[in-house]
Formats: sequence, structure tokens, C-alpha cells
Amino acid sequence: NAGVTQTPKFQVLKTGQSMTLQCAQDMNHNSMYWYRQDPGMGLRLIYYSASEGTTDKGEVPNGYNVSRLNKREFSLRLESAAPSQTSVYFCASNLLTRYGYTFGSGTRLTVV
Amino acid sequence: QKEVEQDPGPLSVPEGAIVSLNCTYSNSAFQYFMWYRQYSRKGPELLMYTYSSGNKEDGRFTAQVDKSSKYISLFIRDSQPSDSATYLCAMKADRGSTLGRLYFGRGTQLTVWP
Repeated sequence: NAGVTQTPKFQVLKTGQSMTLQCAQDMNHNSMYWYRQDPGMGLRLIYYSASEGTTDKGEVPNGYNVSRLNKREFSLRLESAAPSQTSVYFCASNLLTRYGYTFGSGTRLTVV
Repeated sequence: QKEVEQDPGPLSVPEGAIVSLNCTYSNSAFQYFMWYRQYSRKGPELLMYTYSSGNKEDGRFTAQVDKSSKYISLFIRDSQPSDSATYLCAMKADRGSTLGRLYFGRGTQLTVWP
């Protein structure tokens, strides 16, 4: 049982390049989330998907887009990367509203 | 004002000490309270989960919730070097527009030295 799998684990981008961060869960969870974690800022919600077919903005959505491809997969896209998007990105999922989240191991992104 | 406030530390204690970690919050709709542990370069993992007020104990860990004061705590007894990590409090509401969304504190970095 892999839980939440994120790819890639590390990435370096040049300013203006685009990329997609992939996330997949094998726990049949309904909801999925994308967070970024920066020193001193904690975890900040970028986008979330309460259920398959729906997506909503979180605290810091600017510069990002998401796709809930199916129940298992939730991707995060950076269309034109900026140095301010240098961060560690975490995907998470949970089964029902009242449950805690299961996190992936993160993607470390550096934009130069 | 952030929804959840947590002192980032760092906190450094000797092995065997009792550790107290705390968070305060402002949203009275929060009913689910959690503590996550995050080791360096890893994702957060759920450590403790409490619904509404009261205490919950799991081995060396005790979580307390005081809803009247909007204050939650995590106690670690007989702390070990393996407890060295960042501890994040998190909470969510059971009603309203924020239903289902988890709000995190910024995390407290803990080091337990031998």
C-alpha cells in the first residue's frame, strides 16, 4: 500500500518554464489537496479537490492550475515558473471530511 | 490574525524531559484537532487526532483540547532523540464554508539531545 505518491521528488526550473507535479493515491480517498511549505510560513493550501470532478482555490492559488484527472490523481501545473514558486510542494488526501490527511513525501522545486 | 497560532521555537530539551507543545486558535467552529510530526525532508504524518474537548493518550503522547480557551496542547513524556522533528498542530471545522479544510499552525521545531 503506497499511500500518496508524488513525482518528481526534485526539480530545477528556469524562470518562465512550465511543469506539472503529479500526485496519485491508492486509498480510495475522496478529497485531495496541494500545499506548499516555505520556511517560516508553514503549510499553505494552493488548491483542493473535495471530490472527483471538483476543484477549488485555497490560500495561494495565483500562478497555479490543477486537474483532478480521476479519483486517484490530482496534478498541479505551473504555467510560467517564477523564483517565488521555489518551495516544497506536498500533496495530501483524505477519505471523509472529519478525517486527517495522508501526505506524500513532497516535491522540492527550485526556480532559478 | 491567522486562524491558528503556534510558536515556531526552536525547542531544545535533554533526553527524558517532558515536552509541551501548544497552539491557539480563533475559529470557534473548529471541532477536529490534530498533531502532525514532520521529520526533516519528509511529509507530515498524523500523530494524534482528537474530536472536540478532552484528552487523548497514546503511549508517551498526550493531546489536550480546551475549547473554552481555544487552546490545544501536545505533551511528550520521556522524550527521545527520535522525537526530534517539527510538530504541526492542525484543526478543522464541522460546519460552515470551511468544512473539511484543515488549518495548520506553522510548526514547532523540537530537538531532543542525548
